[in-house]
Amino acid sequence: EPEVTQTPSHQVTQMGQEVILRCVPISNHLYFYWYRQILGQKVEFLVSFYNNEISEKSEIFDDQFSVERPDGSNFTLKIRSTKLEDSAMYFCASSEAGLGPEAFFGQGTRLTVV
Amino acid sequence: GENVEQHPSTLSVQEGDSAVIKCTYSDSASNYFPWYKQELGKGPQLIIDIRSNVGEKKDQRIAVTLNKTAKHFSLHITETQPEDSAVYFCAAKSSNDYKLSFGAGTTVTVRA
Repeated sequence: EPEVTQTPSHQVTQMGQEVILRCVPISNHLYFYWYRQILGQKVEFLVSFYNNEISEKSEIFDDQFSVERPDGSNFTLKIRSTKLEDSAMYFCASSEAGLGPEAFFGQGTRLTVV
Repeated sequence: GENVEQHPSTLSVQEGDSAVIKCTYSDSASNYFPWYKQELGKGPQLIIDIRSNVGEKKDQRIAVTLNKTAKHFSLHITETQPEDSAVYFCAAKSSNDYKLSFGAGTTVTVRA
């Protein structure tokens, strides 16, 4: 069964450093998303991406965040200068279409900022 | 924006019994309601979903009901098994949005 894969599974970084989280969405999907879950809190939407541009973003997704689809298979989330409060589980998801069907999630990357 | 509330936060059931998780939503424009199961170390896995044009949907031991008037929807798991132990999330989405709004999750423990 096709699945969304994320790397790395766990990333530890120093405060102020840049991190890039990587995702390989399901191959025939066109819409890509990043969500995050701070420990003990709800899963929160960060951004959606379609046709090489952001289609929607939340207020969490500020100038410190960026997304990119550098090639035909990868989808990345970059945090330019990490803060302690960026520590969370980050989930990538993809769907065939944006405003309709199901989103499928990857297993997540646990980001720890120290 | 959409606000989804989920109850209970934890649920312990005896194997073979039923489990019910309830969610409410605030945005009347929401029309898609998926349920995700998250096992330890894994990402949320879609287990069932319902759209606003139906009131109930069933898939083997899992069923979801939707009451649009009251803006609430529920997940029902019958004949629970130990492998049903996980965190379950409800979510809501409108056709105008790309994003899912999640509930806080319910940790279900099935006691053997």
